[in-house]
Amino acid sequence: AQSVTQLDSHVSVSEGTPVLLRCNYSSSYSPSLFWYVQHPNKGLQLLLKYTSAATLVKGINGFEAEFKKSETSFHLTKPSAHMSDAAEYFCVVSDQASGNQFYFGTGTSLTVIP
Amino acid sequence: IAGITQAPTSQILAAGRRMTLRCTQDMRHNAMYWYRQDLGLGLRLIHYSNTAGTTGKGEVPDGYSVSRANTDDFPLTLASAVPSQTSVYFCASSRDRGQPQHFGDGTRLSIL
Repeated sequence: AQSVTQLDSHVSVSEGTPVLLRCNYSSSYSPSLFWYVQHPNKGLQLLLKYTSAATLVKGINGFEAEFKKSETSFHLTKPSAHMSDAAEYFCVVSDQASGNQFYFGTGTSLTVIP
Repeated sequence: IAGITQAPTSQILAAGRRMTLRCTQDMRHNAMYWYRQDLGLGLRLIHYSNTAGTTGKGEVPDGYSVSRANTDDFPLTLASAVPSQTSVYFCASSRDRGQPQHFGDGTRLSIL
């Protein structure tokens, strides 16, 4: 069965310091993995996606994620946090076994301290 | 600007009433989806449509129905609302199933 575990429900960082949001997945087949960001009272916006090409994926706003099959992880990172990065982040897994249905993690709330 | 439009943005509804949430996309995407978002649970799929004229059940379909008469519109209907359907509802679309999904800004629904 497909599932996603976001290991931290809340993460706080100081502005200008690195961001790490952790995600582990479970998938029977070669998965597609996504990170989405949600700002207050808004819909979800795609940050980046992994679909079996390069394992290090670069996204928008300076975010990137690395697919590690041996660790079943897809952690999201950014070298230097900005105040505008404060938001909810969702890790998503999808694969052919599930009919390409998206399975969402429960989200990580990122706070950026000035 | 291309995207997804959801209406209404928010609604307070008495239990037992019928309600239709509207969703329109102008990207000519084949697939469309309805999710509900509840605190601590992430997003859960209610219903989906892979192409106009077809629909399917997601993870939490009970109490909801959808139709897909054309490519652009994908309304979600609550036939008889119950308080447990209080949630934020998101409509999404993708070029095809499995492709990245684009989301509307959501409808906040409160059932009293």
